[in-house]
Amino acid sequence: RKEVEQDPGPFNVPEGATVAFNCTYSNSASQSFFWYRQDCRKEPKLLMSVYSSGNEDGRFTAQLNRASQYISLLIRDSKLSDSATYLCVVNGGGSNYKLTFGKGTLLTVNP
Amino acid sequence: NAGVMQNPRHLVRRRGQEARLRCSPMKGHSHVYWYRQLPEEGLKFMVYLQKENIIDESGMPKERFSAEFPKEGPSILRIQQVVRGDSAAYFCASSPLQRGSYNEQFFGPGTRLTVL
Repeated sequence: RKEVEQDPGPFNVPEGATVAFNCTYSNSASQSFFWYRQDCRKEPKLLMSVYSSGNEDGRFTAQLNRASQYISLLIRDSKLSDSATYLCVVNGGGSNYKLTFGKGTLLTVNP
Repeated sequence: NAGVMQNPRHLVRRRGQEARLRCSPMKGHSHVYWYRQLPEEGLKFMVYLQKENIIDESGMPKERFSAEFPKEGPSILRIQQVVRGDSAAYFCASSPLQRGSYNEQFFGPGTRLTVL
C-alpha cells in the first residue's frame, strides 16, 4: 500500500462547481496533514493544514478522519485560478518534518 | 522577496559532471529540507539540515549525493558524477523553529536538473 494515495484524476469541472478530493494514508503514527497545490512546473504551495476538528478557509474545507486514515479537501464555487495539481501531504510519522507527498490530483476548471 | 530562494533554476550537466544546487531559506527560518521530484512522481524527502548540522539524511542516495548548510551562506546539495537518472526537479523548503507536530514547510521555486 502506498504511503499516501490520492484519486489519480484528472478532474475537469465547470466554473462554479463543487469538487472534492480524497486521500488515504498508511502510517497511523502520522501527526500532521496538509494540502498543497502545485501549478505546472512550479513549486508546491501550502494551501492549508488539516486539523482533527476540520477547518475551513474561504471556499476550501478540509476534513481529517484519523480512524479511517482519510483526508479530504472540498472546493466550493471553483474558479479558473483553482486549476492546479492538489497534493495530499502527511508527515512521516515518528518525526514532524519528513513530509510524504501523494502524487497529486490534477484539477482543470473550465469556463 | 522574502521567500525561499534557489539557484540555478535550470541546470544542464553531462554525465559524469558535478551539480551544485543552492538554497537560501526564508528570513527567520533555520531549518532546511531538500526534496526531489522525478517526472510523473510525487516529491520525495531527501535530507533535513539545520545550520552546520545534518539532522536526517535517510532519503539521500548512499553514493554521490551530499548536502550541507554552513554557518554562513546557502545550503548546498551536491551531486557528483551525475547520471541520467538524476534528472529531476530538486526543491528546497524551509521552516521556522518547530513547535508541536505541525511543521509547515515553504518551498522554493526548485532547480530543474537535466543530465545529457
